[in-house]
Amino acid sequence: AQTVTQSQPEMSVQEAETVTLSCTYDTSESDYYLFWYKQPPSRQMILVIRQEAYKQQNATENRFSVNFQKAAKSFSLKISDSQLGDAAMYFCACIHFYGGSQGNLIFGKGTKLSVKP
Amino acid sequence: EAGVVQSPRYKIIEKKQPVAFWCNPISGHNTLYWYRQNLGQGPELLIRYENEEAVDDSQLPKDRFSAERLKGVDSTLKIQPAELGDSAVYLCASSLVRASAEAFFGQGTRLTVV
Repeated sequence: AQTVTQSQPEMSVQEAETVTLSCTYDTSESDYYLFWYKQPPSRQMILVIRQEAYKQQNATENRFSVNFQKAAKSFSLKISDSQLGDAAMYFCACIHFYGGSQGNLIFGKGTKLSVKP
Repeated sequence: EAGVVQSPRYKIIEKKQPVAFWCNPISGHNTLYWYRQNLGQGPELLIRYENEEAVDDSQLPKDRFSAERLKGVDSTLKIQPAELGDSAVYLCASSLVRASAEAFFGQGTRLTVV
């Protein structure tokens, strides 16, 4: 079975500083994607960044980047130059593929990020 | 293009009453998910559809929950009868199989059972 673990229930960062959120996952498949989603208090979940397992290069999106360690099954999110609008719940998620099909999109329990002015 | 639309946004019902949630996914998206999210927790999958077929409903409490996706487009999730423990946010998401696999979420329905 596929699992996603986020070991930091809460994190805090000073505005303009950098913070790293941790995630580990477990899947027996070799073909999978990993995601970080953001859920602000308004509740709508939005994609922050995606990493395909077959790509060795770490994904980046503006101030957001990942450290993808495939052998260790680790997928951390780094937020640089943190802004007040980054305050939200962050969820790590994984989906795997097999044959011509895909599995379920499975989420971790989330990390609540606070940004201090 | 419109995103995933869910209704209602909020629902308060008494225990033992029925309730239904509706989801209209992004046009052309063949995968549709229903998740339940308790306060401060991650989304937990209830059911996944590929077109009109429920390909994984193993986490759906079938004694009281039911779902359908007619014609592989919009979907309804029903609870009958509701229990106090069903209070949660119910999220709907859609995606294209494979492609980017990105799931697009609706705003969710917050259910309160009193």
